[in-house]
Amino acid sequence: QQQVKQSPQSLIVQKGGISIINCAYENTAFDYFPWYQQFPGKGPALLIAIRPDVSEKKEGRFTISFNKSAKQFSLHIMDSQPGDSATYFCAASVTNYGGSQGNLIFGKGTKLSVKP
Amino acid sequence: DTAVSQTPKYLVTQMGNDKSIKCEQNLGHDTMYWYKQDSKKFLKIMFSYNNKELIINETVPNRFSPKSPDKAHLNLHINSLELGDSAVYFCASSPGTGGSYEQYFGPGTRLTVT
Repeated sequence: QQQVKQSPQSLIVQKGGISIINCAYENTAFDYFPWYQQFPGKGPALLIAIRPDVSEKKEGRFTISFNKSAKQFSLHIMDSQPGDSATYFCAASVTNYGGSQGNLIFGKGTKLSVKP
Repeated sequence: DTAVSQTPKYLVTQMGNDKSIKCEQNLGHDTMYWYKQDSKKFLKIMFSYNNKELIINETVPNRFSPKSPDKAHLNLHINSLELGDSAVYFCASSPGTGGSYEQYFGPGTRLTVT
């Protein structure tokens, strides 16, 4: 199965700072890149997603930057807040495919702690 | 109303036992999934069902068997439980197949095998 590599494994940021989480992928057929947010004791929830036809997507304080040539994408959280403390997962998939090719492939997650 | 619900939330059992986890979604979605999240938080898909048909069967042991009585329910039955099965199991649903649909996750079932 193709991998999605995520870094760092954990991240500590002061309140008001910028949190940056990076992901790299191998399969050039991937064309959908979501980020999921998971709070302790809860299931993951979609935060923001991007397709490779744009280089950046912003929703509130959350921005995805996408570099197709480098096969990398990243999540930026501006003005980080203690309430953002959670585990963040990047993922990738090949759309318009059924069967296993349409699977979401998740990165290993980044535990973000925002200190007051 | 809870969109995707799972029961039980916690399950503690001994090796060799058989157990089931139930999942229900009230979103009207066509596709449901089971994921396993290990102690390192790694999320991996186990199965997915579309309109009661199994469309993905990842390389999981055949001790695990998904069963879908209707498109709103996807249960996971596990035979002969092993220590390595200890994990959090998440049910999820999406409007269609393929990774571009948002997946809605349940709250998880923490399975501990002793």
